[in-house]
Amino acid sequence: DTGVSQNPRHKITKRGQNVTFRCDPISEHNRLYWYRQTLGQGPEFLTYFQNEAQLEKSRLLSDRFSAERPKGSFSTLEIQRTEQGDSAMYLCASSRLGGQGSFGNTIYFGEGSWLTVV
Amino acid sequence: AQKVTQAQTEISVVEKEDVTLDCVYETRDTTYYLFWYKQPPSGELVFLIRRNSFDEQNEISGRYSWNFQKSTSSFNFTITASQVVDSAVYFCALTFISNFGNEKLTFGTGTRLTIIP
Repeated sequence: DTGVSQNPRHKITKRGQNVTFRCDPISEHNRLYWYRQTLGQGPEFLTYFQNEAQLEKSRLLSDRFSAERPKGSFSTLEIQRTEQGDSAMYLCASSRLGGQGSFGNTIYFGEGSWLTVV
Repeated sequence: AQKVTQAQTEISVVEKEDVTLDCVYETRDTTYYLFWYKQPPSGELVFLIRRNSFDEQNEISGRYSWNFQKSTSSFNFTITASQVVDSAVYFCALTFISNFGNEKLTFGTGTRLTIIP
């Protein structure tokens, strides 16, 4: 299996601009997650999808953030009117619900997309 | 609420020494999963191990071993004969098992491990 793929890996944007990140999960993984990580901290949960349905959103996900997963495959995370506080690494992860064996529900992460808002 | 504490912010050891990374967790759930992930400078979180709350057997994988003790709510990670390639930030994480499988992970703040050649 190829791993979780994210792009762009790095994005520098001016405050107020919109940015979009894309995530391609591991093939056949029906659950997809977005996390955010700031320097010196562990990742924090933002949202997750089961197939195309968005099952949960964190309070961290303000109205300026929107995530989609059309057709239950890749996902996009859009940030509108970016603020300097949005600067972080955005991590995508995926897992296979109901997998067999001890690793059926392990969550696998991508390399992340670094966002710098100037 | 769930919480994971990694009290060791940074650790440095000389190559070939053994090193243990501590993880203490809090949860009210009786059924949960514990994880360790490695984050090298590239940023990707690399899965190392998953342990469910009913399985307290210790596990060894090559130079890595894990000690899970429910009595002390700890899930410690030991690297034996450390190597420079082990240098990374290591995260311990906790999640609970819902009717829909894994849900969100709660991470500790990580331990930065530096192996000195």
